[in-house]
Amino acid sequence: DTGVSQNPRHKITKRGQNVTFRCDPISEHNRLYWYRQTLGQGPEFLTYFQNEAQLEKSRLLSDRFSAERPKGSFSTLEIQRTEQGDSAMYLCASSLEETSGRSTDTQYFGPGTRLTVL
Amino acid sequence: SQKIEQNSEALNIQEGKTATLTCNYTNYSPAYLQWYRQDPGRGPVFLLLIRENEKEKRKERLKVTFDTTLKQSLFHITASQPADSATYLCALERVPGGYNKLIFGAGTRLAVHP
Repeated sequence: DTGVSQNPRHKITKRGQNVTFRCDPISEHNRLYWYRQTLGQGPEFLTYFQNEAQLEKSRLLSDRFSAERPKGSFSTLEIQRTEQGDSAMYLCASSLEETSGRSTDTQYFGPGTRLTVL
Repeated sequence: SQKIEQNSEALNIQEGKTATLTCNYTNYSPAYLQWYRQDPGRGPVFLLLIRENEKEKRKERLKVTFDTTLKQSLFHITASQPADSATYLCALERVPGGYNKLIFGAGTRLAVHP
């Protein structure tokens, strides 16, 4: 399977616990994104990597959230001291930067990790 | 910053009819606009992209139009089938020239009835 994969698919945790999610992008894609999606809303941008460099973080990403992409391949998203408001679907997407100068950033999404904080 | 408006009410149509979904944006006209499909519990799937200098784009039963004067894109599914039932998301760049930064609408849920 050459698509974007995410693990785990579901995570149930108690408030205050730490959780970590993993994303494996499409192998040749150099851009990787994390989004959060709640019921009835579209994906909300959290952070973005170009290769291993984290180039942008949304204001939605509090200091309890940290993301890494150490070798420019897979990425992890960690949430420390989870709160009930963190319950959401966490989506990862990847894209290939086009060198033609007309980049359109078509993003390919993984299946998501659904987090439930009790 | 850019804002996207999609009809939050579900669209219910009969099989075989044409479904038309609307995406309106409020500020500057983006260089391109994308449409994605999302099924429950799954990630969005890219369908079509249309650039600012294109009026219309087609792919099989799908058609997208882009009117920069009205600040609107329409997404059509002709000869709709129950398998087309899903939520359809509109996406465009969050800032001018921000080709790698998308903002998504909340989506419109389409239900095609046999």
